[in-house]
This record gives sequence, structure tokens and C-alpha cells, in this order.
Amino acid sequence: DQQVKQNSPSLSVQEGRISILNCDYTNSMFDYFLWYKKYPAEGPTFLISISSIKDKNEDGRFTVFLNKSAKHLSLHIVPSQPGDSAVYFCAATAGGGSQGNLIFGKGTKLSVKP
Amino acid sequence: ETGVTQSPTHLIKTRGQQVTLRCSSQSGHNTVSWYQQALGQGPQFIFQYYREEENGRGNFPPRFSGLQFPNYSSELNVNALELDDSALYLCASSLGGARFGELFFGEGSRLTVL
Repeated sequence: DQQVKQNSPSLSVQEGRISILNCDYTNSMFDYFLWYKKYPAEGPTFLISISSIKDKNEDGRFTVFLNKSAKHLSLHIVPSQPGDSAVYFCAATAGGGSQGNLIFGKGTKLSVKP
Repeated sequence: ETGVTQSPTHLIKTRGQQVTLRCSSQSGHNTVSWYQQALGQGPQFIFQYYREEENGRGNFPPRFSGLQFPNYSSELNVNALELDDSALYLCASSLGGARFGELFFGEGSRLTVL
């Protein structure tokens, strides 16, 4: 029973174009969402987050959108760069839960082609 | 600033054996979480330690146990190893009270159970 779903295992995008990574969740108690990026042989690194009281958060080339009614969030990368090629994990957590208890999706492997 | 370090990076055990994995948290961080990442899956929360006490646990049996030491380093112990325990074990540290859910991961310890 997956509470956080990333239905696209992989995504290929041309350099300079927009990358859109999608994530769906089922638990309505989730109130904080995060994206992590993982390169091979490295641990995941935090990218961007959003609280459920917002519907958008931007950080440079990265923007996360949250649609609570649809239980859907997306990560937009504009413009995409070859260095963005990595596996991206969507994660969620519920208020009152332990700080470290993140529920992760299976990840989407992004390939940005020059 | 020293990041999260884990040891060993790779190890092979046989079914029924016991294993201890070690983690040094990032300088200044007092909270450590452990995650299991099976092949093709996202990280799955095992447990978290805050100031040397377990502070949250995921859906893992009691043969998964841990410790946190006064210097905030941590150990993950797994007894009676099973084939399905083969996975990448990730340690993540954070500062209690920091931005909720933002974890700093180590590179992981890859365990193979034969």
C-alpha cells in the first residue's frame, strides 16, 4: 500500500527545456512534502520542500506545486541542465510525526540530454 | 563542516548472521534516522534517535535495533539476517527544531545477504 506514488520510473528531457516530475499521495494527513535528488553512489540530497498551507514554492530553477484537492504535487525544473540527471524522490510527512519519518516514493530517473 | 559518514560501505553476510552498521552524524546534528532502500524502491523509515533515545519507529521487526551515543553517532543492528534484508541502508542526521523533515543523508551501507 503505497502512500506516495511516483508513477513515471523515468523521464528524458532535452537540455534547456522544462522537466516536470509528478507525485501523488493518498494520505490526507500529510502536511509537508519534500523532493530529494540522488546521484549514483551518493546519499539523497534535499532539493526543495512545501508546506500544505502553500500551493507553490520556488528556489531558483526549481519550483514545487501542490494541489491538495487532487493530492498531487509536481517538481518543475527550468531550464533543465545535464547536471540535473539523477533520481528524484518525492517524500511526505504528517504533522506530529517524528521529524525523520518521511514516506518516500519509488523515484523518477531524470535524464537531461545535451 | 563534516557531513554524514557511514561504515562499512559494502558488506556481505549469510542468512542468520548479525550485522552492525555505523553512522557519524553531521556536525551539530543531534537527531539520526535510519532508512532501508531496497532495489528499485524508495527509502523506507526504520527508526529515529534523538538525544540517545528512540523517537519513532517504522514497520520493522524488533530484530532491527539501534543505538545513539553521547556524541550523536549511531548504530543500526540487525539480527537473524534474512535474504530480504539485502538493501542499501541510509543514515540521515538533522537538527531537532530545524526545518521540518529536512534530512542530510550519508552515502549508505550496501548489505548483501546470501
